[in-house]
Amino acid sequence: EVQLVESGGGLVQPGGSLRLSCAASGFTFSSYWMSWVRQAPGKGLEWVANIKQDGSEKYYVDSVKGRFTISRDNAKNSLYLQMNSLRAEDTAVYYCARGAGPIDYWGQGTLVTVSS
Amino acid sequence: SYELTQPPSVSVSPGQTARITCSGDALPKKYAYWYQQKSGQAPVLVIYEDSKRPSGIPERFSGSSSGTMATLTISGAQVEDEADYYCYSTDSSGNQWVFGGGTKLTVL
Repeated sequence: EVQLVESGGGLVQPGGSLRLSCAASGFTFSSYWMSWVRQAPGKGLEWVANIKQDGSEKYYVDSVKGRFTISRDNAKNSLYLQMNSLRAEDTAVYYCARGAGPIDYWGQGTLVTVSS
Repeated sequence: SYELTQPPSVSVSPGQTARITCSGDALPKKYAYWYQQKSGQAPVLVIYEDSKRPSGIPERFSGSSSGTMATLTISGAQVEDEADYYCYSTDSSGNQWVFGGGTKLTVL
């Protein structure tokens, strides 16, 4: 059974940093693109970033370029999102997801709140 | 930046056909994917590559694409199909992915 479990969310002040992690199991992690998708409270889904199987290609939505970094550790079956210079508008549930097109499995999400 | 446009809401009676559209300039050359999200839950893929249905998705869900518009059709919509639906695709470069704004489907 495919499982994606996010962790690392929480309350952070504007300008602060946070690192999200996603533990993957039930599939060959190193064979898949992986993505982060977020959803602000009461709003729609927003693709944030994705990363190729070997980490050689990474893509980001314009609003997070230069602030967020996606990475992975295939030996640990883990996906990460380093978030720096956080803004109020980054407040959202962040989902770890398998694939890029399509995304076929999702975690349950971790809430990031940026507020003073 | 690239955008996918969906109607904010669609409403049908049980047993009727619901159609949700998604328009985007790159859709003639890029696949559309559709997700269902029920309140408080993670999204579920219901259509991939314009018209393919993942295993476990009821046959009443179908997809099509023509020109700059993709369409999700729910034939004989049921109350349990009430949810938000999102289309998902990529721009012409294939590197920037985007979700449509979402469509709230009401079945009552």
